[in-house]
Parts: sequence; structure tokens; C-alpha cells
Amino acid sequence: DARVTQTPRHKVTEMGQEVTMRCQPILGHNTVFWYRQTMMQGLELLAYFRNRAPLDDSGMPKDRFSAEMPDATLATLKIQPSEPRDSAVYFCASGPDRVSGNTIYFGEGSWLTVV
Amino acid sequence: TQLLEQSPQFLSIQEGENLTVYCNSSSVFSSLQWYRQEPGEGPVLLVTVVTGGEVKKLKRLTFQFGDARKDSSLHITAAQTGDTGLYLCAGRYNQGGKLIFGQGTELSVKP
Repeated sequence: DARVTQTPRHKVTEMGQEVTMRCQPILGHNTVFWYRQTMMQGLELLAYFRNRAPLDDSGMPKDRFSAEMPDATLATLKIQPSEPRDSAVYFCASGPDRVSGNTIYFGEGSWLTVV
Repeated sequence: TQLLEQSPQFLSIQEGENLTVYCNSSSVFSSLQWYRQEPGEGPVLLVTVVTGGEVKKLKRLTFQFGDARKDSSLHITAAQTGDTGLYLCAGRYNQGGKLIFGQGTELSVKP
């Protein structure tokens, strides 16, 4: 049963620490997305990649966030330094690159708490 | 700014009742999707609509895409407690473009 795998599932860290979240997209999917979900803002798109190339990261605070795809099986989202306002659930999603009606599949999320 | 507005934000009903959730934008969508999210999990796709006026049914769920492709609705008939969850609409403003989500409708169906 193919699925998007995210680690860690839960992370509590102190303000100022570096946080790295990892995602293994579904094998064969060449689009990867990072979303952040909070009660106030809902699901916000942070960045997305196609064939490992970043296409749009306009939703991501550039000063502290960075997203990369070192290879086709790994996407990372890094926050350095972390702040309490970064507390949220971070979702990775992947999908095949079809023109219309793309289905994307979400992971179970990484629950981040910055204290 | 391209926004997707969902209403209502919260909905609490009794089992057996019907309900409708709305998703609206001032811009035209090339496609629109509805997702359902349960606590502790990621959103799961329910349906994709791409043609203005399109209606799709998924058991007791009926999805409609507005003629002008600016709005959509989700109607649930005879709600069950298992329908409880967060319902999200998400749209693309152009083919291959990024998927933008609405704020979601938190549905609670009580026995």
C-alpha cells in the first residue's frame, strides 16, 4: 500500500533550535508539496517541487525556512532557528505529474511544537 | 489575492440530517477538489470536478461545480457519525498550478 511517509511524527523543541522534517514521496511521483496547517490559517502551501526542482516557495518564510529534494526519494523542510509561531502540523504530499485533476496524496504530518 | 472561502466553518448536526457545505471564490477554477481530514491524519481526496455544472455522487455525498466554475458545494444526505471530520475544498486556478485550500468546515455528527 503506497503512502507518503513523514518523520518525525511529533517533535517538541526549544525556540532557536534547528528542526528538520523529512518526507519520502510515493515511488514514481514527481511532484512534492509541503503544507503547513494551523487552526488560524488552515492549510498553507509552503513549497512545491517537480522533478526535484523547486517551482514555487513563495509561501515560505525565506529567512528561516528552506526546502530541498536531495534525491527523488527524499524531501526535507528545515527551520533554523525555530520560533514558537512555527508550531503547526507540517504535511508533505506527492502526486504524479498529470495535466489536469491531479490527485495528491498526503502524509500523516509532522506535529511540531516550539516552546 | 486568490482566496477560497468555505462556509460554514463549523457544523454540528444530528445523525440522519442533511447538510450542505459551500466553497466560493471570486476567480475561476480550472479544477476543484474536496478532501476529508480526520484527526491525526492528512487530508484524503474525495472527488475532483473540472467541468462547469458537473455533479458527482459518492454514496450519500453529492458534489456540484458551479456553472461559472467559481464555486462548489458538498451535500451530505442522512449524515452518519462516521461523516464527522474536516471537509476541505481545494482549487487550481490553472492546469498544473498549485493547489490552494479553503479554511475547511468542521463537521460533527452526533448520534
